[in-house]
Amino acid sequence: AQSVTQPDIHITVSEGASLELRCNYSYGATPYLFWYVQSPGQGLQLLLKYFSGDTLVQGIKGFEAEFKRSQSSFNLRKPSVHWSDAAEYFCAVGAGAGNMLTFGGGTRLMVKP
Amino acid sequence: SQTIHQWPATLVQPVGSPLSLECTVEGTSNPNLYWYRQAAGRGLQLLFYSVGIGQISSEVPQNLSASRPQDRQFILSSKKLLLSDSGFYLCAWGDEQGAEAFFGQGTRLTVV
Repeated sequence: AQSVTQPDIHITVSEGASLELRCNYSYGATPYLFWYVQSPGQGLQLLLKYFSGDTLVQGIKGFEAEFKRSQSSFNLRKPSVHWSDAAEYFCAVGAGAGNMLTFGGGTRLMVKP
Repeated sequence: SQTIHQWPATLVQPVGSPLSLECTVEGTSNPNLYWYRQAAGRGLQLLFYSVGIGQISSEVPQNLSASRPQDRQFILSSKKLLLSDSGFYLCAWGDEQGAEAFFGQGTRLTVV
């Protein structure tokens, strides 16, 4: 069975600083990987996804993520954080098309002015 | 384009009362449909998924049930709510070609 671990429950960064949110997965084959963002009281919005090919994927809002098979990781990065990025971020893994996703526990990002 | 509607947005219900949350998807046919629950301060837990009308799979035993009476309609129900049913419920859909899930805006359920 697949699983996802997000080691950091809370992260606080200063506005303009760089950001990296960690995600580690467990899956027997090459997984489908996702990052979602959730603003308070809202649903989840897809930031980016990795299916195959280039291991560095670009997403919306200036985010990117890198798939590292050797480390079973899919960390999310942003070079300069904006106050509007404060939200909860979820990493997820899927087994393929049409399959349900398994989510990590989430990382709550706070941005200091 | 596809859209997903989920209602109500918020709900306060007494213990022992019934529950019905509805989710509909537009702009696609034969979607996979999912119900997730997000308890306070925790991640998302998959409750039910459906690959077709009348086909429901349950991921965890609980006080809830799901039904899919039409292709693009997914309903989450309970006959008698418990305090522990409080949480944020999210409906999502996915198609057979892609692998990502698209989420509704969620329903905040408080059982009092």
